[in-house]
Amino acid sequence: GENVEQHPSTLSVQEGDSAVIKCTYSDSASNYFPWYKQELGKRPQLIIDIRSNVGEKKDQRIAVTLNKTAKHFSLHITETQPEDSAVYFCAAIFNQGGKLIFGQGTELSVKP
Amino acid sequence: DTEVTQTPKHLVMGMTNKKSLKCEQHMGHRAMYWYKQKAKKPPELMFVYSYEKLSINESVPSRFSPECPNSSLLNLHLHALQPEDSALYLCASSQVESSNTEAFFGQGTRLTVV
Repeated sequence: GENVEQHPSTLSVQEGDSAVIKCTYSDSASNYFPWYKQELGKRPQLIIDIRSNVGEKKDQRIAVTLNKTAKHFSLHITETQPEDSAVYFCAAIFNQGGKLIFGQGTELSVKP
Repeated sequence: DTEVTQTPKHLVMGMTNKKSLKCEQHMGHRAMYWYKQKAKKPPELMFVYSYEKLSINESVPSRFSPECPNSSLLNLHLHALQPEDSALYLCASSQVESSNTEAFFGQGTRLTVV
C-alpha cells in the first residue's frame, strides 16, 4: 500500500537544541521525499527535499537523511529558534500515478 | 511567479447550495491537485489532473466534482455537501505528474458547511 508513518506526533525542545523527526514509507514509494512546514492557518511550504540518489542533503540549519534499504528518512533541525515552531510533514511520491502522500505530521514547539 | 492562487479564501455554504472553488497557477505546471485537510491532520489527496485530464480520483464522493478548463485553472464544484466536509481545501501544482519536483500549494479555501 501507499503509506508514510511519521514520529513523533509532538516534539518540544528548548531554543538552541536540535530536533529530529523520523518517517518510514511503504514499498511502492519512488525516489522523491519532500518535507513541508505548515504554520497555523497557512499553506504547507517545502523546506527541503531529497532524491534517492543521495543519502543526505543539508541547507543551513536543516538536513535530511535517507536510508532506502531501511525505507526511512529523517529531518534534522539544528540550533532551533522559536520561529521554527510549526507542524512538519514528511511526504513521499508513490509510483502508482504519482501520488504525493503525507505523513501524519509533527507539531514542533521551540521554547525560548 | 511561483504562486498558486485559490479563491475564495473562506466559504460558508448550506447543505443544499452549489458552490465552486477556484485555483490558478501560471508556472507552466501540467499537474494539478486537490487536497482536503482537517484540523491537526495531514493533507489528504482527492484528485490529480495531468495535462488537463483527470488521472487520479481517490474514491471521492460525487458531491465533489473537479474540472480543469485549461492548463492554468482547476476548479472544484461542490453540491449537497455535509457538515463533515468542512475543512481546508488545498490546491497544488507541480511540473508534471510523478515528477521528482516540488509541489507548490495555494493558501487554501477554508470551507464551512452549515
